[in-house]
Amino acid sequence: EAGVAQSPRYKIIEKRQSVAFWCNPISGHATLYWYQQILGQGPKLLIQFQNNGVVDDSQLPKDRFSAERLKGVDSTLKIQPAKLEDSAVYLCASSPSGLAGENTGELFFGEGSRLTVL
Amino acid sequence: GEDVEQSLFLSVREGDSSVINCTYTDSSSTYLYWYKQEPGAGLQLLTYIFSNMDMKQDQRLTVLLNKKDKHLSLRIADTQTGDSAIYFCAETAYNNNDMRFGAGTRLTVKP
Repeated sequence: EAGVAQSPRYKIIEKRQSVAFWCNPISGHATLYWYQQILGQGPKLLIQFQNNGVVDDSQLPKDRFSAERLKGVDSTLKIQPAKLEDSAVYLCASSPSGLAGENTGELFFGEGSRLTVL
Repeated sequence: GEDVEQSLFLSVREGDSSVINCTYTDSSSTYLYWYKQEPGAGLQLLTYIFSNMDMKQDQRLTVLLNKKDKHLSLRIADTQTGDSAIYFCAETAYNNNDMRFGAGTRLTVKP
Protein backbone atom coordinates (compact mmCIF):
# COMPACT_ATOMS: atom_id res chain seq x y z
CA GLU A 1 0.00 0.00 0.00
CA ALA A 2 1.41 3.38 -0.99
CA GLY A 3 2.05 5.78 1.87
CA VAL A 4 1.41 9.50 2.16
CA ALA A 5 3.22 11.30 -0.67
CA GLN A 6 4.53 14.85 -0.32
CA SER A 7 6.39 17.20 -2.63
CA PRO A 8 8.71 18.92 -2.89
CA ARG A 9 11.00 17.38 -0.27
CA TYR A 10 13.07 20.54 0.00
CA LYS A 11 12.43 24.17 -0.85
CA ILE A 12 14.57 27.26 -0.29
CA ILE A 13 13.01 30.67 -0.86
CA GLU A 14 13.61 34.24 0.16
CA LYS A 15 11.32 36.02 2.60
CA ARG A 16 8.22 37.55 1.05
CA GLN A 17 8.20 34.91 -1.71
CA SER A 18 5.47 32.31 -1.97
CA VAL A 19 5.62 28.53 -1.82
CA ALA A 20 3.20 25.64 -2.21
CA PHE A 21 3.36 22.10 -0.87
CA TRP A 22 1.39 19.16 -2.16
CA CYS A 23 0.15 16.07 -0.36
CA ASN A 24 -1.51 12.89 -1.59
CA PRO A 25 -2.88 10.86 1.34
CA ILE A 26 -3.28 7.11 1.57
CA SER A 27 -6.09 5.96 -0.71
CA GLY A 28 -9.42 5.92 1.08
CA HIS A 29 -8.34 8.01 4.05
CA ALA A 30 -11.03 10.54 4.81
CA THR A 31 -9.04 12.79 7.09
CA LEU A 32 -5.98 14.82 6.10
CA TYR A 33 -3.80 16.95 8.36
CA TRP A 34 -1.06 19.50 7.82
CA TYR A 35 1.43 19.88 10.65
CA GLN A 36 4.30 22.34 11.06
CA GLN A 37 7.43 20.99 12.74
CA ILE A 38 9.97 23.64 13.69
CA LEU A 39 13.48 22.35 14.41
CA GLY A 40 13.68 20.94 17.93
CA GLN A 41 9.92 20.94 18.46
CA GLY A 42 7.09 18.50 18.04
CA PRO A 43 4.62 18.80 15.17
CA LYS A 44 1.88 21.38 15.60
CA LEU A 45 -1.44 21.11 13.79
CA LEU A 46 -2.11 23.75 11.16
CA ILE A 47 -5.29 22.43 9.57
CA GLN A 48 -7.43 19.30 9.44
CA PHE A 49 -9.74 18.27 6.60
CA GLN A 50 -12.54 15.71 6.68
CA ASN A 51 -13.05 14.78 3.02
CA ASN A 52 -13.12 18.22 1.37
CA GLY A 53 -14.32 20.19 4.40
CA VAL A 54 -12.24 21.97 7.04
CA VAL A 55 -12.64 20.51 10.54
CA ASP A 56 -10.10 22.65 12.39
CA ASP A 57 -8.01 25.56 11.14
CA SER A 58 -7.82 27.44 14.41
CA GLN A 59 -4.00 27.39 14.44
CA LEU A 60 -3.50 28.31 10.78
CA PRO A 61 -2.04 31.85 10.33
CA LYS A 62 -4.69 32.79 7.82
CA ASP A 63 -3.08 36.08 6.85
CA ARG A 64 -0.35 34.15 5.02
CA PHE A 65 -1.23 30.45 5.02
CA SER A 66 -3.97 28.80 3.00
CA ALA A 67 -4.85 25.19 2.30
CA GLU A 68 -7.37 23.38 0.18
CA ARG A 69 -8.56 19.87 -0.51
CA LEU A 70 -10.98 20.52 -3.31
CA LYS A 71 -11.89 16.98 -4.37
CA GLY A 72 -11.42 15.39 -0.98
CA VAL A 73 -8.25 13.59 -2.01
CA ASP A 74 -4.97 15.48 -2.41
CA SER A 75 -4.26 18.80 -0.74
CA THR A 76 -2.15 21.90 -1.23
CA LEU A 77 -0.71 24.14 1.49
CA LYS A 78 0.40 27.61 0.42
CA ILE A 79 2.40 30.28 2.19
CA GLN A 80 2.32 33.81 0.80
CA PRO A 81 4.31 35.85 1.71
CA ALA A 82 6.80 33.70 3.61
CA LYS A 83 8.56 34.91 6.74
CA LEU A 84 11.82 33.74 8.27
CA GLU A 85 9.93 32.03 11.11
CA ASP A 86 8.10 29.82 8.58
CA SER A 87 11.29 27.77 8.16
CA ALA A 88 10.18 24.31 9.22
CA VAL A 89 9.24 20.87 7.99
CA TYR A 90 5.64 20.70 6.81
CA LEU A 91 4.22 17.27 7.48
CA CYS A 92 1.11 15.88 5.89
CA ALA A 93 -0.73 13.04 7.61
CA SER A 94 -3.87 11.08 6.92
CA SER A 95 -6.13 8.77 8.84
CA PRO A 96 -9.04 6.56 7.87
CA SER A 97 -11.39 7.74 10.58
CA GLY A 98 -13.20 11.00 11.01
CA LEU A 99 -11.95 12.02 14.41
CA ALA A 100 -8.68 11.47 16.23
CA GLY A 101 -9.72 9.15 19.01
CA GLU A 102 -11.99 6.92 16.96
CA ASN A 103 -10.46 3.50 16.50
CA THR A 104 -6.81 3.95 17.42
CA GLY A 105 -6.57 7.47 16.07
CA GLU A 106 -3.33 6.56 14.32
CA LEU A 107 -2.00 9.14 11.91
CA PHE A 108 0.05 8.08 8.89
CA PHE A 109 2.71 10.66 8.08
CA GLY A 110 4.50 11.58 4.87
CA GLU A 111 8.23 12.30 4.83
CA GLY A 112 7.64 16.04 4.99
CA SER A 113 8.60 19.09 2.99
CA ARG A 114 11.50 21.04 4.46
CA LEU A 115 11.19 24.80 3.91
CA THR A 116 14.08 27.20 4.42
CA VAL A 117 13.27 30.91 4.26
CA LEU A 118 16.32 33.18 3.78
CA GLY B 1 -3.41 25.22 27.29
CA GLU B 2 -2.65 21.56 27.23
CA ASP B 3 1.01 20.54 27.11
CA VAL B 4 2.99 17.40 26.48
CA GLU B 5 6.52 17.45 27.89
CA GLN B 6 9.49 15.17 27.36
CA SER B 7 13.17 15.24 28.20
CA LEU B 8 15.14 16.15 25.08
CA PHE B 9 18.03 13.68 25.09
CA LEU B 10 18.80 10.13 26.19
CA SER B 11 21.98 8.17 25.57
CA VAL B 12 22.34 4.45 26.27
CA ARG B 13 24.71 1.60 25.43
CA GLU B 14 23.69 -1.08 22.97
CA GLY B 15 21.98 -3.93 24.80
CA ASP B 16 20.82 -1.78 27.71
CA SER B 17 17.22 -0.79 28.33
CA SER B 18 16.03 2.71 27.40
CA VAL B 19 13.26 4.51 29.26
CA ILE B 20 11.74 7.61 27.72
CA ASN B 21 9.36 9.62 29.88
CA CYS B 22 6.49 11.95 29.07
CA THR B 23 4.05 14.04 31.08
CA TYR B 24 0.82 15.56 29.85
CA THR B 25 -1.68 17.95 31.33
CA ASP B 26 -5.00 17.21 29.63
CA SER B 27 -7.04 15.05 32.01
CA SER B 28 -9.46 14.21 29.19
CA SER B 29 -6.73 12.45 27.20
CA THR B 30 -8.12 9.23 25.86
CA TYR B 31 -5.36 7.84 23.67
CA LEU B 32 -1.62 8.18 24.19
CA TYR B 33 0.93 7.37 21.52
CA TRP B 34 4.60 6.89 20.92
CA TYR B 35 5.88 7.84 17.48
CA LYS B 36 9.40 7.32 16.12
CA GLN B 37 11.09 9.69 13.67
CA GLU B 38 14.29 8.71 11.89
CA PRO B 39 16.42 11.36 10.14
CA GLY B 40 14.74 12.78 7.06
CA ALA B 41 11.62 10.69 7.54
CA GLY B 42 8.09 11.23 8.75
CA LEU B 43 6.73 10.02 12.06
CA GLN B 44 5.89 6.35 12.39
CA LEU B 45 3.56 5.00 15.06
CA LEU B 46 5.35 2.62 17.43
CA THR B 47 2.60 1.86 19.90
CA TYR B 48 -0.39 3.37 21.65
CA ILE B 49 -2.32 2.87 24.87
CA PHE B 50 -5.87 3.65 25.92
CA SER B 51 -6.26 5.75 29.03
CA ASN B 52 -8.11 2.93 30.82
CA MET B 53 -5.00 0.74 30.64
CA ASP B 54 -1.90 1.03 32.77
CA MET B 55 0.48 -1.16 30.79
CA LYS B 56 0.93 -2.47 27.29
CA GLN B 57 3.71 -4.73 26.06
CA ASP B 58 4.65 -5.29 22.43
CA GLN B 59 7.83 -7.31 21.85
CA ARG B 60 10.73 -5.12 23.07
CA LEU B 61 8.42 -2.20 23.87
CA THR B 62 6.65 -1.66 27.18
CA VAL B 63 4.37 1.32 27.74
CA LEU B 64 3.44 2.33 31.27
CA LEU B 65 0.69 4.83 32.01
CA ASN B 66 0.10 6.48 35.37
CA LYS B 67 -3.13 8.34 34.76
CA LYS B 68 -3.22 9.88 38.23
CA ASP B 69 0.16 11.54 37.68
CA LYS B 70 -0.42 12.01 33.93
CA HIS B 71 2.87 10.22 33.24
CA LEU B 72 3.62 7.97 30.28
CA SER B 73 6.81 6.03 29.68
CA LEU B 74 8.25 3.91 26.90
CA ARG B 75 10.76 1.21 27.75
CA ILE B 76 12.81 -0.33 24.97
CA ALA B 77 14.48 -3.57 26.01
CA ASP B 78 17.82 -4.65 24.51
CA THR B 79 18.26 -1.31 22.73
CA GLN B 80 19.95 -1.56 19.33
CA THR B 81 21.79 1.04 17.24
CA GLY B 82 18.82 0.97 14.87
CA ASP B 83 16.66 2.35 17.67
CA SER B 84 18.55 5.67 17.48
CA ALA B 85 15.89 8.21 16.52
CA ILE B 86 13.63 10.88 17.98
CA TYR B 87 10.69 9.54 19.96
CA PHE B 88 7.54 11.64 20.27
CA CYS B 89 4.88 11.27 22.90
CA ALA B 90 1.41 12.35 21.72
CA GLU B 91 -2.07 12.43 23.15
CA THR B 92 -5.58 13.07 22.01
CA ALA B 93 -8.99 13.19 23.58
CA TYR B 94 -12.04 11.46 22.15
CA ASN B 95 -13.86 14.70 21.53
CA ASN B 96 -10.83 16.60 20.28
CA ASN B 97 -9.57 16.56 16.73
CA ASP B 98 -6.06 17.70 17.64
CA MET B 99 -3.27 15.22 18.34
CA ARG B 100 -0.77 17.07 20.56
CA PHE B 101 2.89 16.15 20.47
CA GLY B 102 5.79 16.61 22.83
CA ALA B 103 9.05 18.11 21.56
CA GLY B 104 10.60 14.67 21.17
CA THR B 105 13.38 12.77 22.92
CA ARG B 106 16.50 12.11 20.88
CA LEU B 107 17.73 8.62 21.71
CA THR B 108 21.36 7.88 20.93
CA VAL B 109 22.52 4.27 21.16
CA LYS B 110 26.27 3.79 21.52
CA PRO B 111 27.88 0.53 20.43
